[in-house]
Amino acid sequence: GDSVTQMEGPVTLSEEAFLTINCTYTATGYPSLFWYVQYPGEGLQLLLKATKADDKGSNKGFEATYRKETTSFHLEKGSVQVSDSAVYFCALLTSGTYKYIFGTGTRLKVLA
Amino acid sequence: DTAVSQTPKYLVTQMGNDKSIKCEQNLGHDTMYWYKQDSKKFLKIMFSYNNKELIINETVPNRFSPKSPDKAHLNLHINSLELGDSAVYFCASSRNSRGAGEQYFGPGTRLTVT
Repeated sequence: GDSVTQMEGPVTLSEEAFLTINCTYTATGYPSLFWYVQYPGEGLQLLLKATKADDKGSNKGFEATYRKETTSFHLEKGSVQVSDSAVYFCALLTSGTYKYIFGTGTRLKVLA
Repeated sequence: DTAVSQTPKYLVTQMGNDKSIKCEQNLGHDTMYWYKQDSKKFLKIMFSYNNKELIINETVPNRFSPKSPDKAHLNLHINSLELGDSAVYFCASSRNSRGAGEQYFGPGTRLTVT
């Protein structure tokens, strides 16, 4: 069945470091892809999305490109801040049953 | 204005009890969801309703019963609570069940069963 695989955390970085969180997916058809962020004690919020191959989603300095050839949607940010510390979830929306499938989440901790 | 709200925020109860969690969205969305997030942050969908109609029902014990009195509300009732039910439960909504719609999440209800 459809699935999402994320790199395991936690990821610990110094402020201003470059961030990559890997995400790969398995899906039939043409899913839409998402990154959600969960700050401590809160619900998930959409960070960015891409709905078709080669689309690049971007928001708040984060970006991810929908790569159909490698079935990947890696999250990147050029310079992280302490306020980016959170759990990041990669997700897909299946094209047939329209069901959301979330990855296991990657905790990011940014040190000042 | 809160888009998706849940009550209560915290719920501590004993094994065997019955409890309910309420969810309301004021976004005018057609589709609502319940998710369970375990202690390792793994998020799993439980149910989805579209215009008060059940459209997704994952493998969840039948002690869990969702109820949607109207499309703005999706409540979750849990009978005979067990230790393993301890988790954070999130309600979410989306414009509809198709397309690339963003999901809006509530703040979560932390359920602790003792």
